[in-house]
Amino acid sequence: DTAVSQTPKYLVTQMGNDKSIKCEQNLGHDTMYWYKQDSKKFLKIMFSYNNKELIINETVPNRFSPKSPDKAHLNLHINSLELGDSAVYFCASSQLAGGFTDTQYFGPGTRLTVL
Amino acid sequence: AQSVTQLGSHVSVSEGALVLLRCNYSSSVPPYLFWYVQYPNQGLQLLLKYTSAATLVKGINGFEAEFKKSETSFHLTKPSAHMSDAAEYFCAVSETSYDKVIFGPGTSLSVIP
Repeated sequence: DTAVSQTPKYLVTQMGNDKSIKCEQNLGHDTMYWYKQDSKKFLKIMFSYNNKELIINETVPNRFSPKSPDKAHLNLHINSLELGDSAVYFCASSQLAGGFTDTQYFGPGTRLTVL
Repeated sequence: AQSVTQLGSHVSVSEGALVLLRCNYSSSVPPYLFWYVQYPNQGLQLLLKYTSAATLVKGINGFEAEFKKSETSFHLTKPSAHMSDAAEYFCAVSETSYDKVIFGPGTSLSVIP
């Protein structure tokens, strides 16, 4: 069983389009994250939710909107896609009981290419 | 503010040789420190973490790291490299358990047969 899954694995789209990436975890964790990894492999946190509540919101354009329908799911919707949004997006989850320093479990990533 | 630097964006070692990946951190308090590994086309996986217990931390796959406060370092080592160790390695820091984890820029490890 996959612990943290993301769909789709690859996403190729035109500038200006709106797209969503879905993430699900079956680990029973309270906390989920979205990270962006750029072409130089630099990994930066974007958002974090705990039990459907937003707890980290980094300096991210408001074109990016996370949605957590329940604590096992955290989806990322991106409006008006730009070339600079091309990256690999990783979802992760952890327990919050130990804070953010509890082990984070990462999904396989979604490679977004904006043309 | 907390930050992480990793000396050497790319390291090559021969199979069977010592692996040494360097990580230095900046933190105003004793931090939590992590090493994560990313195999090609996969997500990150925790190798080991330091949480103010023993300064020498043993992780999975034969890796270990030593926390040296005087040097603000947390270098990752493995006595003998395997081909399967070829991957991207990320050092990360968090000042408290409720601060977000900050990742370093990563070091790509190549293992030469």
